[in-house]
Amino acid sequence: DIVLTQTPLSSPVTLGQPASISCRSSQSLLNGDDGNTYLSWLQKRPGQPPRLLLYRISNRFSGVPDRFSGSGAGTDFTLKISRLEPEDVGVYYCMQFTQYPWTFGQGTKVEIK
Amino acid sequence: EVQVVESGGGLIQPGGSLKLSCAVSGFTVNNNFMAWVRQVPGQGLEWVSDIRGDGSPYYAASVRGRFTISRDNSQNTLYLHMNSLRDDDTAIYYCAASLLAVGGYDCWGQGSLVIVSS
Repeated sequence: DIVLTQTPLSSPVTLGQPASISCRSSQSLLNGDDGNTYLSWLQKRPGQPPRLLLYRISNRFSGVPDRFSGSGAGTDFTLKISRLEPEDVGVYYCMQFTQYPWTFGQGTKVEIK
Repeated sequence: EVQVVESGGGLIQPGGSLKLSCAVSGFTVNNNFMAWVRQVPGQGLEWVSDIRGDGSPYYAASVRGRFTISRDNSQNTLYLHMNSLRDDDTAIYYCAASLLAVGGYDCWGQGSLVIVSS
């Protein structure tokens, strides 16, 4: 199984300041059949279902603010929040869709410092 | 409006069976990649199972042989049949869909809590 390792596991951030989360995969997430890299990022707020933020590394899903951005390739990926807003508090997960079984990172808790 | 609503959760004894339902509106279950994802309270997300548009099911190793994913196109509903339930199956079960088919679950239900306990 592909293991996704997120760092840090907790990230206290001052409002208005940037936040960055790393997701490292145990093997390349490049799909050899179609050339796409199926790494997505989800946000999980307390009491709410997960919400898709980014797909295929860096594509923002509908309605996602542009302060969220994604980058990376192969085995190393990063989610960045350019300026933390109060509604961004929650747990962020990376997830891979390149190889079954689909797997998630452990989650990174973003909170206000 | 696109919507998925789970039901069927509850308290069940170890070894018992339960069927979760996911009623869908705004799209059809048979044309989309549908899934179940669970979260043990206080822990991370775990992919459980999904079913592709062609009906092919896939399962996590932890539930294979015990859980069955299915869909009823006439009811536009996704199901998760859970047998031989164990304590560690206790979780919130989310129904999810990949409507854009871009490699991500872009539509999620509110979840249904399953508690396996004697």
